[in-house]
Amino acid sequence: AQSVSQHNHHVILSEAASLELGCNYSYGGTVNLFWYVQYPGQHLQLLLKYFSGDPLVKGIKGFEAEFIKSKFSFNLRKPSVQWSDTAEYFCAVRVSNFGNEKLTFGTGTRLTIIP
Amino acid sequence: NAGVTQTPKFQVLKTGQSMTLQCAQDMNHNSMYWYRQDPGMGLRLIYYSASEGTTDKGEVPNGYNVSRLNKREFSLRLESAAPSQTSVYFCASSEVGLNSPLHFGNGTRLTVT
Repeated sequence: AQSVSQHNHHVILSEAASLELGCNYSYGGTVNLFWYVQYPGQHLQLLLKYFSGDPLVKGIKGFEAEFIKSKFSFNLRKPSVQWSDTAEYFCAVRVSNFGNEKLTFGTGTRLTIIP
Repeated sequence: NAGVTQTPKFQVLKTGQSMTLQCAQDMNHNSMYWYRQDPGMGLRLIYYSASEGTTDKGEVPNGYNVSRLNKREFSLRLESAAPSQTSVYFCASSEVGLNSPLHFGNGTRLTVT
């Protein structure tokens, strides 16, 4: 079964700092990868996704992520964070498993931006 | 657009009580899901429905049952609530296809005392 690891549980940054959140997955076949964001008190929203083509994908709000197949990684980046980026971020992987296309989430990274 | 609608938003139950969480989507999606979210554990899949009339167990199905009533609605039932089921429950839906993202409802915060 596939799994997703997010090793950073809580990250604290100052505004304008650069951000990189790690995501590693374990699955040997074709994967589709997603990053979701959950602002305080809200539901999860899609930031970006990768399914084929250019391994560098751009999402909303200035976020991007790079798929590195050899490292089984899909790290999320943003050059300059804002206070409004304070949220919890979830990496997720989706694989085809006998037609059951479940989405498996990592445990999440809480990001706190200090003004 | 309503998207994915969950009811209720909050619920407090006593151990042993039963309840049903309702979920409806208006995006004509085939696939629907129930997740629970617990601190430090991310989202864990409880049950999944690939299409009307089919359901499959996820990672943590014990203590839950589901019904895919029609294409729009997917309910989650707790027959005999336990304190370990205190959590935030999210319903989601998606198109069929590996690259289709999930669309989430606003969640139900359930406390079992």
